[in-house]
Amino acid sequence: AQKVTQAQTEISVVEKEDVTLDCVYETRDTTYYLFWYKQPPSGELVFLIRRNSFDEQNEISGRYSWNFQKSTSSFNFTITASQVVDSAVYFCAVRGSSNTGKLIFGQGTTLQVKP
Amino acid sequence: DSGVTQTPKHLITATGQRVTLRCSPRSGDLSVYWYQQSLDQGLQFLIQYYNGEERAKGNILERFSAQQFPDLHSELNLSSLELGDSALYFCASSSRDGSFTDTQYFGPGTRLTVL
Repeated sequence: AQKVTQAQTEISVVEKEDVTLDCVYETRDTTYYLFWYKQPPSGELVFLIRRNSFDEQNEISGRYSWNFQKSTSSFNFTITASQVVDSAVYFCAVRGSSNTGKLIFGQGTTLQVKP
Repeated sequence: DSGVTQTPKHLITATGQRVTLRCSPRSGDLSVYWYQQSLDQGLQFLIQYYNGEERAKGNILERFSAQQFPDLHSELNLSSLELGDSALYFCASSSRDGSFTDTQYFGPGTRLTVL
């Protein structure tokens, strides 16, 4: 079975602070993909990043960066210099080779960025 | 905007009723997925269709059914509705072969309220 744990239910920061959202996954598949999605207050789910299990290089996209560590089964997401518009629920998800259809989502982390 | 459209945006109905949720995938995408997001269950995969055929099934109740039409749009039918069916229902689509390597792009969701 596959599982994603986002231990941080809610995080509150002040604008311009850096914040890291933790994600720990479980899968028996040797080939799998990891994802992050953002759900702003308006409700839609916005794709942020996809990473495959063979690529442990960290990725940076503007103020966003992702740290994938296979040894600890973690795929953490850091927002640098947070902004009020970053306030949202963030979901980490896994999809393995034994699992053609579904994304397995974590419970989500609610990030509140205060001005 | 992901390019996935869902109608209606909101739906309010009574217990015992039947509703149909509609999804149009991104142009060219052959695979459609349905998810349910509720407070107690989080984001749960319901079902996947690929080019008109059912590809994978998740925790979909027998009272629920779906199909994908030749023009690739999909409908999710929910019948004998119960209070517990109140949730946000998402449709997603992907462009390649519908396998675990695909990235799923989500629509804005349909919020169903059962009174």
